[in-house]
Amino acid sequence: DTAVSQTPKYLVTQMGNDKSIKCEQNLGHDTMYWYKQDSKKFLKIMFSYNNKELIINETVPNRFSPKSPDKAHLNLHINSLELGDSAVYFCASSQDLFPVRQETQYFGPGTRLLVL
Amino acid sequence: GESVGLHLPTLSVQEGDNSIINCAYSNSASDYFIWYKQESGKGPQFIIDIRSNMDKRQGQRVTVLLNKTVKHLSLQIAATQPGDSAVYFCAENIEGYQKVTFGTGTKLQVIP
Repeated sequence: DTAVSQTPKYLVTQMGNDKSIKCEQNLGHDTMYWYKQDSKKFLKIMFSYNNKELIINETVPNRFSPKSPDKAHLNLHINSLELGDSAVYFCASSQDLFPVRQETQYFGPGTRLLVL
Repeated sequence: GESVGLHLPTLSVQEGDNSIINCAYSNSASDYFIWYKQESGKGPQFIIDIRSNMDKRQGQRVTVLLNKTVKHLSLQIAATQPGDSAVYFCAENIEGYQKVTFGTGTKLQVIP
């Protein structure tokens, strides 16, 4: 069984479109995250949610809005997509806030977004 | 697969040899460090961590060394196997803060 799953795996879209990426974890964790990995493999956190509450909101454009309908899901909606949004987006989860409690994080397989 | 134009530092190692992957971290206030492994097409995977009150920590076939004086972290992999081929990242954190800062990765290629 997949611990952290993301859909879609690949997403190709035009500039200006609105798209969503879904994430689900079946580990019973309380905390979920979104990361962005650029073409140079540089990984940066975007958001973290603990018990459906937003904890970290890094300097991310307002066009990005996370939504957590329940503890097992954290979706990422992106409005007015731009070329620079092209990247791989990873969802992750941990039982408690990482790294504050040094919990192990589990990452999903990533969603490869290409904006044309 | 890799992106066109991507130039990650690459370490090529013969299967069975030991690998040493180095990382220079940026913030002298950082006191918690983590190594991740990312295989092609997959998400990062937590390997081992170390706190600043230690200078060495061992796991299964992996050892992390921390030199706070020069802000240097290394990951040693014993008896490297083809399955170790991946990109390895170090990450740093200031304890009590929720943000982890990732370093640039190093690609490990294991030659059979």
